[in-house]
Amino acid sequence: QKEVEQDPGPLSVPEGAIVSLNCTYSNSAFQYFMWYRQYSRKGPELLMYTYSSGNKEDGRFTAQVDKSSKYISLFIRDSQPSDSATYLCAMHSGGSNYKLTFGKGTLLTVNP
Amino acid sequence: DVKVTQSSRYLVKRTGEKVFLECVQDMDHENMFWYRQDPGLGLRLIYFSYDVKMKEKGDIPEGYSVSREKKERFSLILESASTNQTSMYLCASSLGAKGEQFFGPGTRLTVL
Repeated sequence: QKEVEQDPGPLSVPEGAIVSLNCTYSNSAFQYFMWYRQYSRKGPELLMYTYSSGNKEDGRFTAQVDKSSKYISLFIRDSQPSDSATYLCAMHSGGSNYKLTFGKGTLLTVNP
Repeated sequence: DVKVTQSSRYLVKRTGEKVFLECVQDMDHENMFWYRQDPGLGLRLIYFSYDVKMKEKGDIPEGYSVSREKKERFSLILESASTNQTSMYLCASSLGAKGEQFFGPGTRLTVL
């Protein structure tokens, strides 16, 4: 079983839709969870950072972590064509472990 | 804002050439990372460094070496480039054990 599983998509939605992106993981030591957005031919940019279980909201974006189910989600409300990108989940266990474990990314297209 | 810069956006080299990719960060981050990103394979860690002159192998170090002589600079070296090293190379940096990594814009390397 891979450490982090992420549906690669592609996912295509109309403008204004609510988008749900998800990752599952197997390592119960993961405590820190991140979502990155990567536009085509660019480097990933950090979108959301959460610690342990719970929700975090930032504008149209909400990150959810359910450690009991080993499941994290990113919701995008009122999606815009500018949200079209690849979304990567990432996580790590903290402490002296500097490495992130990434999902392979989900390609999202928001159609005008 | 953290800024991570990479020496080239696009690079074309011949098989057997020695290739240097340079990365500079301006936020005094301790940790620096080199990844390659290929379609369907996601981000794969090549090498990372948690201090000056320190380096650790990632998941795919074969065919690569690194150098970190100054805190802000981390270089990736392809001793003898091969066509299977054609890829997008991404540099990242992070501070301490928080885990958030900040990425550069990437270098798209083509080896002919």
